[in-house]
Amino acid sequence: KAGVTQTPRYLIKTRGQQVTLSCSPISGHRSVSWYQQTPGQGLQFLFEYFSETQRNKGNFPGRFSGRQFSNSRSEMNVSTLELGDSALYLCASSLMGQGPNEQFFGPGTRLTVL
Amino acid sequence: DAKTTQPTSMDCAEGRAANLPCNHSTISGNEYVYWYRQIHSQGPQYIIHGLKNNETNEMASLIITEDRKSSTLILPHATLRDTAVYYCIVRYVNNAGNMLTFGGGTRLMVKP
Repeated sequence: KAGVTQTPRYLIKTRGQQVTLSCSPISGHRSVSWYQQTPGQGLQFLFEYFSETQRNKGNFPGRFSGRQFSNSRSEMNVSTLELGDSALYLCASSLMGQGPNEQFFGPGTRLTVL
Repeated sequence: DAKTTQPTSMDCAEGRAANLPCNHSTISGNEYVYWYRQIHSQGPQYIIHGLKNNETNEMASLIITEDRKSSTLILPHATLRDTAVYYCIVRYVNNAGNMLTFGGGTRLMVKP
C-alpha cells in the first residue's frame, strides 16, 4: 500500500509570492492534517480536514489556508510568503476522523523563502 | 491536551534496551499516550499508543504507571537505525479530530 505522498519535495520562493503544496493520503484515509516544522518552533499543527471540511485549525495567520477534495487529496496554500515561512511542511493522514487511531506522515515539502 | 515532559537527549548502546521516560502528570482519564519518532529529515513515524494498560507491538513496548502520570517507551534491542527524536504526546480522543500537539521530544542517540 502506497504511503502518504507530498509534492513537491523541495521548493524555493521569494518573499511576497504564494505557494501551493499537495498531499495525497493513503488510499481509504479520509482525514488529512498539516503541520509546520521549524528549528525554532518545532512541529506545529496547521489544520485538519475530514470529508472536505476543515475540522481543526492551529494558531496560524489567515495567509495559511487549505482544502480537501472529494478523493481526500489535500492542498495547502500560503499567500504573501515571509522569510519565517521557511519550513518543512508535513502532511499526515488517518483512516478515521475520530478515535485513537494512528496518523501516517508523508516525507514533507521543504519550503525555502528568499 | 495534557502537557508532557521528556529529557532533551539520551544515549543508548547498540543492542541494549532504550528506555525513554515521559512525564504527563496532568493527564485526564480520556487522554491517550502516543509515541512517535522522527528520523532526521523524514516525517514522524507512529510507534505505539495506550490508555491504561501496557502495550506491546513489533516496534516497542509502552509501560504506563498505574496513576497514569508517567510512561516509558521501551525499545528492547536498540539499533543504529533507532537514532531519532522521540515524541511523547498525550491526546484527548473524541470525535473532534486527530490533532497532535508535539513537544520538544527526546533525541535518542544509539551508539555502536
